[in-house]
Amino acid sequence: EVQLLESGGGLVQPGGSLRLSCVASGFTFNNYAMTWVRQAPGKGLEWVSCISGSGGRTTYADSVKGRCSISRDNAKNTLYLQMSSLRADDTARYYCAKTYFALGATPYGMDVWGQGTTVIVSS
Amino acid sequence: DIQMTQSPSSLSASIGDRVTITCQANQDISNYLNWYQQKPGKAPNLLIYDGSNLGTGVPSRFSVSGSGTYFTLTISSLQPEDIATYYCQQYDKLPLTFGGGTKVEIK
Repeated sequence: EVQLLESGGGLVQPGGSLRLSCVASGFTFNNYAMTWVRQAPGKGLEWVSCISGSGGRTTYADSVKGRCSISRDNAKNTLYLQMSSLRADDTARYYCAKTYFALGATPYGMDVWGQGTTVIVSS
Repeated sequence: DIQMTQSPSSLSASIGDRVTITCQANQDISNYLNWYQQKPGKAPNLLIYDGSNLGTGVPSRFSVSGSGTYFTLTISSLQPEDIATYYCQQYDKLPLTFGGGTKVEIK
C-alpha cells in the first residue's frame, strides 16, 4: 500500500524553526518528485515546494523562498522540510504529497497525500 | 502567478442532482489542469488529472470539460459520498496554484 506519514509539526514561536519529515512506503521513492502543500485553518491549498527524485533540483513558492529548504534522503525513503524564520501566516496543516509526474522539480500534480502535520506559529 | 477562480464557493444540492463547478484561469493554461476532492478532515484526493483523466477509483459520474481559461467539473448524479470541497489546480507554470475551492453540501 502506498503511504506517506508526516511528523514534526507543533507549536513554535514566531521567528523559530521546525523540521517536518515524511516517510514514504509502498513505491520506489527515488523515482518520484515529492512536494509539500499546506492548508491554513479553514482555507484552501497552497503549494509550498517540490524536489526532484534525485534531490538535485528544488522549487519553492515565493511565500517560503529563503526561509524553507526541502530535502530528501532516498536511502531512508524520507522527505524533509526545514522551516525557519517562521511567521504567524505559516500556521497550517502541511501535507507531503507524491507527484504523479514532474519535469525535474516542476510537478504536474499530486496523486498520493499524507494525512498532514500541523504547524502553529504563535507566541 | 496564474490565478485560479472557482465558482460557486459553496453549493447545496439534493441527492441525484446534477452539479457543476467552474474554474477559470486568468491566462491560457491549455488543459494543464487537475481537480482534487477533499472530504472533511481528510487529505485531498486526486480526482481528475491532465485535464480529463479520471483518478484511480473515481466513479464515472465525475466528468470535466474545458480548455484554455474555462473549465467545469460535473457530477452527473450527486451521491452522499460526494460531500467534499473540490479544488482545481493548474500546472502550466510554477508556482502551482489552486482555486479557492467549492464546498458541496447536501440539501
